[in-house]
Amino acid sequence: QVQLVQSGAEVKKPGASVKVSCKASGYTFTSYGISWVRQAPGQGLEWMGWISAYNGNTNYAQKLQGRVTMTTDTSTSTAYMELRSLRSDDTAVYYCARRGYPNYYFDYWGQGTLVTVSS
Amino acid sequence: DIQMTQSPSSLSASVGDRVTITCRASQGISNSLAWYQQKPGKAPKLLLYAASRLESGVPSRFSGSGSGTDYTLTISSLQPEDFATYYCQQYYSTRGTFGQGTKVEIK
Repeated sequence: QVQLVQSGAEVKKPGASVKVSCKASGYTFTSYGISWVRQAPGQGLEWMGWISAYNGNTNYAQKLQGRVTMTTDTSTSTAYMELRSLRSDDTAVYYCARRGYPNYYFDYWGQGTLVTVSS
Repeated sequence: DIQMTQSPSSLSASVGDRVTITCRASQGISNSLAWYQQKPGKAPKLLLYAASRLESGVPSRFSGSGSGTDYTLTISSLQPEDFATYYCQQYYSTRGTFGQGTKVEIK
């Protein structure tokens, strides 16, 4: 069965960086993309970007350009999302989700990783 | 980016009620629309894609319709497990924006 398992919760200080992992299993990793979505406390879902596990192509939300980097390691079927220069409003639950092809909806999601940014 | 506007932002309903949630895109999205259900503390769950196609395992009381810029999610007979927040998402563009969500609460 398809599973996306994310790394554990993180607490970071403002200005630091965080790297969240998402390990996929149960399907051919390189046949799909991985998207990242975040949800601030009590708020809605925010699309952050996606990466093709096939060729590493990326597309990021404009507001995060320059601060976010998404990568994959096909040898371990793991996707990573690194966010730099953290601010308090980056406090959120971060989800990875499998992005289909050619229809780009998200059919499987990770369990979420809480990132807290606090001094 | 394509903007998605959901309405209402919340609603109160009783078990057995018919519930309708709408989602409007800022431009035509050619039925490239998904609906998700999210319960507190859980990841979103895909309900429908391509505006009206039911994801495997999702009860048939959920249905979707629409075209162009306007789309609807309908729950034909609300069940206790359906109290949750629902989000639409367009995937017509690479940047798959979400609606702001509709919280369905118990009346």
